[in-house]
Amino acid sequence: AQKVTQAQTEISVVEKEDVTLDCVYETRDTTYYLFWYKQPPSGELVFLIRRNSFDEQNEISGRYSWNFQKSTSSFNFTITASQVVDSAVYFCALSELSGGYNKLIFGAGTRLAVHP
Amino acid sequence: DAGVIQSPRHEVTEMGQEVTLRCKPISGHDYLFWYRQTMMRGLELLIYFNNNVPIDDSGMPEDRFSAKMPNASFSTLKIQPSEPRDSAVYFCASSFFGGGRETQYFGPGTRLLVL
Repeated sequence: AQKVTQAQTEISVVEKEDVTLDCVYETRDTTYYLFWYKQPPSGELVFLIRRNSFDEQNEISGRYSWNFQKSTSSFNFTITASQVVDSAVYFCALSELSGGYNKLIFGAGTRLAVHP
Repeated sequence: DAGVIQSPRHEVTEMGQEVTLRCKPISGHDYLFWYRQTMMRGLELLIYFNNNVPIDDSGMPEDRFSAKMPNASFSTLKIQPSEPRDSAVYFCASSFFGGGRETQYFGPGTRLLVL
């Protein structure tokens, strides 16, 4: 069965530190998407990135980078030079495309606190 | 373009009352999802629609919960009668399917408190 594990419940860092959020997934499908969402203290869920299972290239967007490794079923998220505004809960999610639908399976989330 | 719109943003009600949550998906999206978020259970998918048709409601907790999508631009989630354990944040999300566009965009959520 499909599953997403975010083993880090909470992470606390000081501003300007680099931080990596781990995500490990399980799926039987060969075609799937992986996502990261951010939930700031205001409560909304903000889409950050989607990665197709056939595309293992790492991605960088400003201070954010993502490392997708199919060999270890991991899709880790790194924030470089963290800032207080990065404080949020971050969710990793998996979407299998079999059956013609895209249900999202969420991990439990990692709460990141960035202190000044 | 406007994102997913949900109303109300906050709802406080008393046990036994009917609660109706509303959602307007992003124009053109053919999938609509209702989620519930609690501290204990995290994010749970309640039900989703494709082209206004309910596809999977296996996540709906009880018969007290019902959802409708009368047209492509409107959906409701109803709880009748409400109970204190229904207190949670309810999110609506919408997406395309196909063509590499399968990203769910979420509304701001409705924070429900049942007293």
